[in-house]
Amino acid sequence: DAGVIQSPRHEVTEMGQEVTLRCKPISGHNSLFWYRQTMMRGLELLIYFNNNVPIDDSGMPEDRFSAKMPNASFSTLKIQPSEPRDSAVYFCASVFSGTSVDNEQFFGPGTRLTVL
Amino acid sequence: AQKITQTQPGMFVQEKEAVTLDCTYDTSDPSYGLFWYKQPSSGEMIFLIYQGSYDQQNATEGRYSLNFQKARKSANLVISASQLGDSAMYFCAMREAQGAQKLVFGQGTRLTINP
Repeated sequence: DAGVIQSPRHEVTEMGQEVTLRCKPISGHNSLFWYRQTMMRGLELLIYFNNNVPIDDSGMPEDRFSAKMPNASFSTLKIQPSEPRDSAVYFCASVFSGTSVDNEQFFGPGTRLTVL
Repeated sequence: AQKITQTQPGMFVQEKEAVTLDCTYDTSDPSYGLFWYKQPSSGEMIFLIYQGSYDQQNATEGRYSLNFQKARKSANLVISASQLGDSAMYFCAMREAQGAQKLVFGQGTRLTINP
């Protein structure tokens, strides 16, 4: 299996531009998570989906952020308009969610976003 | 309230020594899982070890073991015979049965192994 795939790996953009991050979860996994990592705030959960349905988006910082999961094999995180404080590494992770708590979450390689 | 606390922002250890990374957690859910991830300088998140709240024995995976003290709500990671390649950030995380598979992470500990 190829693991969780994220694109792009690096993104440099200017303030005000729209940014779209993409994620392909591991086949068979039914839960998908978007995290943001910064030095100041550590690893933050932004939003997660179960069976393509958003379950908890309380971590989304503001209306400029939106996420979609149109099908089981694809998700996007969009920032519009982007701001310099959005600069961070964005991780996507997936897991098969059953009744057990022991399933390991698999992380993608991350997208390093820099907003100038 | 902080659910996962890692009190050591940074640790420095000599190569070949054992090292313990601290993690305490807070939950009222009787069913939960505790995870440790390693993040090297390259940035990827690597799963190391898992401990379930109902597990009777401490989890072990090669040189990694988890010192699980349920009454104290601690889940410390022990790395035996440390190697230079162990230098990385280490994150403790918890998933509660009532948390819909959501992982909550601690702030991490940066471990540096000195030759």
